Amino acid sequence: DQQVKQNSPSLSVQEGRISILNCDYTNSMFDYFLWYKKYPAEGPTFLISISSIKDKNEDGRFTVFLNKSAKHLSLHIVPSQPGDSAVYFCAASSPNTGNQFYFGTGTSLTVIP
Amino acid sequence: KAGVTQTPRYLIKTRGQQVTLSCSPISGHRSVSWYQQTPGQGLQFLFEYFSETQRNKGNFPGRFSGRQFSNSRSEMNVSTLELGDSALYLCASSLLQGSAGELFFGEGSRLTVL
Repeated sequence: DQQVKQNSPSLSVQEGRISILNCDYTNSMFDYFLWYKKYPAEGPTFLISISSIKDKNEDGRFTVFLNKSAKHLSLHIVPSQPGDSAVYFCAASSPNTGNQFYFGTGTSLTVIP
Repeated sequence: KAGVTQTPRYLIKTRGQQVTLSCSPISGHRSVSWYQQTPGQGLQFLFEYFSETQRNKGNFPGRFSGRQFSNSRSEMNVSTLELGDSALYLCASSLLQGSAGELFFGEGSRLTVL
């Protein structure tokens, strides 16, 4: 039972344009969301997080939007750079479950120079 | 500051054997979580340890077990290996034990079961 879904396995974007990665979840108890980036042969690295009390969080070129009513979050990367090419995972957790996160299956982003 | 270290990085086992994987968290981090990554399944939560106590456990059979030592280092063990256990096993450490924590992942241990 996949509680966090990333329905686009891959995405290609031109350098300088916006990349939008989407994530849907089914559990209304989720209150904390993370995005991770993963290069081949490396572990995932943390990008940005958002709490359910917010609907937007920004960090440099990365912005995460949360739509609780739609149970949807998205990661915007502006402008996209070739070094952003990686697999992106979204993850969610619910209260009082420690660091038990539910991860999506990932979206492979390719930024074309 | 050294990152999360996992050993071994690669290993090959046969069905029925058992395996132990090791994880050294970032210095000062007391929470260690383990995840299994398989193609098409994303990362699946195995368990979390905090201060030597298992705090949460994912939906995996009892063949999967773990422990944490007083220095926060953790090991996970899989007994009676099955072909489906072939995966990348990722360890993550965190300063906080709670849903406001950021997970720092190691590079993983890739297990192949033949």
